[in-house]
Amino acid sequence: SAVISQKPSRDICQRGTSLTIQCQVDSQVTMMFWYRQQPGQSLTLIATANQGSEATYESGFVIDKFPISRPNLTFSTLTVSNLSPEDSSIYLCSGRGQGPAAPLHFGNGTRLTVT
Amino acid sequence: GQQLNQSPQSMFIQEGEDVSMNCTSSSIFNTWLWYKQDPGEGPVLLIALYKAGELTSNGRLTAQFGITRKDSFLNISASIPSDVGIYFCAGTGGTSYGKLTFGQGTILTVHP
Repeated sequence: SAVISQKPSRDICQRGTSLTIQCQVDSQVTMMFWYRQQPGQSLTLIATANQGSEATYESGFVIDKFPISRPNLTFSTLTVSNLSPEDSSIYLCSGRGQGPAAPLHFGNGTRLTVT
Repeated sequence: GQQLNQSPQSMFIQEGEDVSMNCTSSSIFNTWLWYKQDPGEGPVLLIALYKAGELTSNGRLTAQFGITRKDSFLNISASIPSDVGIYFCAGTGGTSYGKLTFGQGTILTVHP
């Protein structure tokens, strides 16, 4: 399965600041996605990270709040901006290879706590 | 949008017992996947299903893609303490196979 490395693994941030999360994947991955898992909840897709162009955001998520970069095939960042306590969640990077039979794999996530 | 209803929400079982959980959808899915999440980690893929009626096993785990394409179940046989965790079903109804809709999760507790 694909190897997906994410950092930091956790952080505690103050209200109003921003946190940038990095994700590195191995060469098997062609598509990258960012998910959010709020405390005690399931996973929700934030956006598809597109190589060399703007990310594609899901309903309820906007670029100003969650800017995403993907400068090359194997690296992406997610920034959570202007933090509030409601942003306290686990943010997960995920990736999959080509073709319909390539399933989605996840990194270990970044646990963000906003104080 | 698409929604998945996963049940049960939680299960408390004795070691050695079999476990069954399922997911249903109001719309058709093309792919069903089952993940397990341990505390502090990301979800780990257990089984992926791609065809209606498909029955797939992975060790003590067995999952099926419902014939109507609106449901899936996961069975765990002869449970052991390390089966403890949260199990999620996930599916996609479109052609973007990374855009998954997740169920609410089933919290499994296994008593030795």
